[in-house]
Amino acid sequence: DTGVSQNPRHKITKRGQNVTFRCDPISEHNRLYWYRQTLGQGPEFLTYFQNEAQLEKSRLLSDRFSAERPKGSFSTLEIQRTEQGDSAMYLCASSFYIPYGEKLFFGSGTQLSVL
Amino acid sequence: GEDVEQSLFLSVREGDSSVINCTYTDSSSTYLYWYKQEPGAGLQLLTYIFSNMDMKQDQRLTVLLNKKDKHLSLRIADTQTGDSAIYFCAEIATGNQFYFGTGTSLTVIP
Repeated sequence: DTGVSQNPRHKITKRGQNVTFRCDPISEHNRLYWYRQTLGQGPEFLTYFQNEAQLEKSRLLSDRFSAERPKGSFSTLEIQRTEQGDSAMYLCASSFYIPYGEKLFFGSGTQLSVL
Repeated sequence: GEDVEQSLFLSVREGDSSVINCTYTDSSSTYLYWYKQEPGAGLQLLTYIFSNMDMKQDQRLTVLLNKKDKHLSLRIADTQTGDSAIYFCAEIATGNQFYFGTGTSLTVIP
């Protein structure tokens, strides 16, 4: 399978715990995005990387959220001191950036439930 | 962020055509996209259109773009039960971010 892979598929945690998600993009893709999606809404941008550089973070992104892409390949998204409002589907997407016609390819997501 | 709006629900009979509509706000959008999401899954790219085009056809899918009115539509011909899903339109706005609509839930009645 050469698509975008996300692990775990589901995560249940207690409020206050830290969680970490992993995303493995399509191998030749240089951009990697994180989105959050809640029920009945479209994906909401969180942050993105070009190679290993984090180029942009959403102004809505709390300081409890941090993302890394250490070697420009896989990425991790960590949420510290989780809150119930963090419950959502976390989607990763990758692309091979070109100035026109960039196309995002999504993984199946990690569904987070904070109890 | 940018506003991308869609109607929430659409119901059609199997074999009929479906038309899903979207309006966006950023006139500098260069590409507009349609994605499909099935339950519990990520988003699958269906098709996209460059902003200097007004129509694109891809098998059963037809995309129409009215740039003046900032209106995008997706027509699915001969809709099948397997087309039941949530459909999102998306634009690339200034800052090179993708903005997604709230999604239209398509139900196909056998």
